Amino acid sequence: GAVVSQHPSRVICKSGTSVKIECRSLDFQATTMFWYRQFPKQSLMLMATSNEGSKATYEQGVEKDKFLINHASLTLSTLTVTSAHPEDSSFYICSAPVGQGVTEAFFGQGTRLTVV
Amino acid sequence: GQNIDQPTEMTATEGAIVQINCTYQTSGFNGLFWYQQHAGEAPTFLSYNVLDGLEEKGRFSSFLSRSKGYSYLLLKELQMKDSASYLCAVLDSNYQLIWGAGTKLIIKP
Repeated sequence: GAVVSQHPSRVICKSGTSVKIECRSLDFQATTMFWYRQFPKQSLMLMATSNEGSKATYEQGVEKDKFLINHASLTLSTLTVTSAHPEDSSFYICSAPVGQGVTEAFFGQGTRLTVV
Repeated sequence: GQNIDQPTEMTATEGAIVQINCTYQTSGFNGLFWYQQHAGEAPTFLSYNVLDGLEEKGRFSSFLSRSKGYSYLLLKELQMKDSASYLCAVLDSNYQLIWGAGTKLIIKP
């Protein structure tokens, strides 16, 4: 079946540095991908929708300049957390879109980001 | 606004049956999903309902009533490995997934 691969699975970085998270669709093309953030004991929160070849669509309250999204090809979307702060520590998950006729959302493995 | 409600936490005994309820109010409806999520891992797909009724898949079943904005996930013959969070999500008219907060299921021996 379709697989979404996310890398890295865990990353620890220092405050003020940037971290890039990759999300790849392995056996299908994804013109759109979703990026979620999940804090402990909370549900998934949609951060942005990544669109291949165009600008990402950000949810209200999500800083565009802090969470840079690039979707340069039909199989790769990246999320870069810039100038990371400890409060950015969270679980970040990407997923392939769910649309008409599709009965499953495909998730990456998730990235546990810890900013120290 | 859009809203999905499910209990925060439930406890059940190994070998028993548990029903996790989910009620929703969304702008449009294109299906309801149940996902299982173990701590520190991404959600995994359990079921999808778009028509009213019961869908059975092994030990897990999911029910939907669109007129009532209601769904439940039924887990039978509970095993310790079923201890996890169970997320209800609705696909709205824009084909965006609206997520519930999840139900943490604790299985006791």
